[in-house]
Amino acid sequence: KAGVTQTPRYLIKTRGQQVTLSCSPISGHRSVSWYQQTPGQGLQFLFEYFSETQRNKGNFPGRFSGRQFSNSRSEMNVSTLELGDSALYLCASSTGLSGLQETQYFGPGTRLLVL
Amino acid sequence: GENVEQHPSTLSVQEGDSAVIKCTYSDSASNYFPWYKQELGKGPQLIIDIRSNVGEKKDQRIAVTLNKTAKHFSLHITETQPEDSAVYFCAADNNNNDMRFGAGTRLTVKP
Repeated sequence: KAGVTQTPRYLIKTRGQQVTLSCSPISGHRSVSWYQQTPGQGLQFLFEYFSETQRNKGNFPGRFSGRQFSNSRSEMNVSTLELGDSALYLCASSTGLSGLQETQYFGPGTRLLVL
Repeated sequence: GENVEQHPSTLSVQEGDSAVIKCTYSDSASNYFPWYKQELGKGPQLIIDIRSNVGEKKDQRIAVTLNKTAKHFSLHITETQPEDSAVYFCAADNNNNDMRFGAGTRLTVKP
C-alpha cells in the first residue's frame, strides 16, 4: 500500500505571496490532518478534514485554510505569507473512524521557506 | 487543552545501552499515546503506541509504559544501535483527532 504523499517537497516563496500544498492520504483513509513543524514550536496541529469537512481546528490564524476533495486528497493554503510561516508542513492520514483513536501515518512533509 | 511535556530534550547513549524518554500530559481525557521517530528529512514514523486500558506494551527492543494516575508515559529502548539515532516525539490524543505532541528528544547513539 502506498504511503502518504505530499507535493511539492520543497517550496520557496516571498512575503505576501500565497501557497498551496497538497496531500494524498493512504488509500482507504478518509481523515487528513495537517501539522506545522518548526524548531521553536515543534509539531503544532493545524486542522483535520474528514469526508470533505473540517472536523477539528488548531490555533492558527485565518490565513491558514484547507479543503478536502471527494477522493480524500487534501490541500492547505496559506495566504499573505510571513517570514514566520517558514516550516515543515506535514500531513497525516488515518481511517477517521469516529470514537476511536487511530494511528496517524505521516507524509514526508513540504518544506516551505519564506523570504 | 492538552499540554504534553517531554524530557530530556537531548539524550546521548553508548551503543548497547538503554534509553528512556519520559512524557507527561495534562488532559485526563487523553487515552491514546503514540510515539514517533523522525529521521532527518523525513516525516515522523510511528514506532509504538499504547491505549489507556493497558499499562505496558512491548515490541522487540522498544517498550512503552503508561501511568494514568500520574499522567505520564515513557519510551524505553534497549540494546540501542546507531540507527536508533533520531528525534523521538511522544503524543497524546483525547479522541478529538487533535493530537498534541511533545517537543521531541534528540537521541544520539554513539558506536
